[in-house]
Amino acid sequence: DGGITQSPKYLFRKEGQNVTLSCEQNLNHDAMYWYRQDPGQGLRLIYYSQIVNDFQKGDIAEGYSVSREKKESFPLTVTSAQKNPTAFYLCASSPGHGSYGYTFGSGTRLTVV
Amino acid sequence: GENVEQHPSTLSVQEGDSAVIKCTYSDSASNYFPWYKQELGKRPQLIIDIRSNVGEKKDQRIAVTLNKTAKHFSLHITETQPEDSAVYFCAASPGTYKYIFGTGTRLKVLA
Repeated sequence: DGGITQSPKYLFRKEGQNVTLSCEQNLNHDAMYWYRQDPGQGLRLIYYSQIVNDFQKGDIAEGYSVSREKKESFPLTVTSAQKNPTAFYLCASSPGHGSYGYTFGSGTRLTVV
Repeated sequence: GENVEQHPSTLSVQEGDSAVIKCTYSDSASNYFPWYKQELGKRPQLIIDIRSNVGEKKDQRIAVTLNKTAKHFSLHITETQPEDSAVYFCAASPGTYKYIFGTGTRLKVLA
């Protein structure tokens, strides 16, 4: 579906629990990104990765962790240190530096119960 | 730091009228400005983009204008239709990996 797949679509987390959101792309893109979307606040960057085994913090990285062991995959873990994790999470990819155009996944809606 | 301001946050227009959404960016190194449309519960989709060496770009009922001096860029939708109802995001990029997104505009086209 559009070359970038996020799963699950809906996720429920209990207090104190870590959860991992999956993001897989088959576009051969070098760069991948995680954004958080809250009502009225647009898209805020959590982490991004330019190449395998390398990633950088975005604007709101606290309470989150990522890995980039394969070019195709960029999973996001929401840890118990993230105090307000309820949000819509979007993964995106792009060809790389000097190339334009994000492709977004369909998103994961995370709710704390 | 880098930021993009987007206005208005909500916009209601009658079907057939025009809609204009405005963004202002802070990073003078920005040279690429995409616009995304996001329907409820769906992923953002690129609808039009403009590079800094161009002042205006049109695609059917959609146009984007860029004023580099003022650091403003705008989305214009003419002859609006109910299916244009969505949230629209602007973004600015200096050509590196990161986009800076605006806070979004919820457009409602009233039939």
